[in-house]
Amino acid sequence: QQQVKQSPQSLIVQKGGISIINCAYENTAFDYFPWYQQFPGKGPALLIAIRPDVSEKKEGRFTISFNKSAKQFSLHIMDSQPGDSATYFCAAKGAGNMLTFGGGTRLMVKP
Amino acid sequence: DGGITQSPKYLFRKEGQNVTLSCEQNLNHDAMYWYRQDPGQGLRLIYYSQIVNDFQKGDIAEGYSVSREKKESFPLTVTSAQKNPTAFYLCATSDRGNYGYTFGSGTRLTVV
Repeated sequence: QQQVKQSPQSLIVQKGGISIINCAYENTAFDYFPWYQQFPGKGPALLIAIRPDVSEKKEGRFTISFNKSAKQFSLHIMDSQPGDSATYFCAAKGAGNMLTFGGGTRLMVKP
Repeated sequence: DGGITQSPKYLFRKEGQNVTLSCEQNLNHDAMYWYRQDPGQGLRLIYYSQIVNDFQKGDIAEGYSVSREKKESFPLTVTSAQKNPTAFYLCATSDRGNYGYTFGSGTRLTVV
């Protein structure tokens, strides 16, 4: 079970609002959960990551919440800004240091 | 980006041609990966290599080929057998001690 399911596929948020993107996984052997941010025409860049022994990690306006029992994790973007408009990918690391990526969420933050 | 150079940034291919996309890294990372991204879509793994002179097929390897003769280089050839090659191609690397991937800036391939 290597899938990582990401939702929603697209998200529109007003400036100053909270953006929430969710991911769910099945493989309990996953041991590292990064989020990537991708701007148009660019490669994805690591945004924030969490290990399963931690329930929450915060870096500036970005927070990962992790629910090990539910096998779910989410990205919260507080005080969303137009510059946050991008595609976000969740991922999970399994055997051999391989990442399995979610399908991506296109976030648009309206001014 | 971050020590990974993908070239060219834009590439145009005629029907029936093979083209090679370059990926060079100076991060001293062991593993390298090729992904394909279609407009508005996610990342699909084409090939990966965890050590020099060894590589494995990913989910969509048909119509593609790779080599890993040097640690720094992992070129991807899009062959004429790939019927729909127009896409954005991303190269990534990872190190054993670092769980994240570092991505290059991508090559946009268009069939003309």
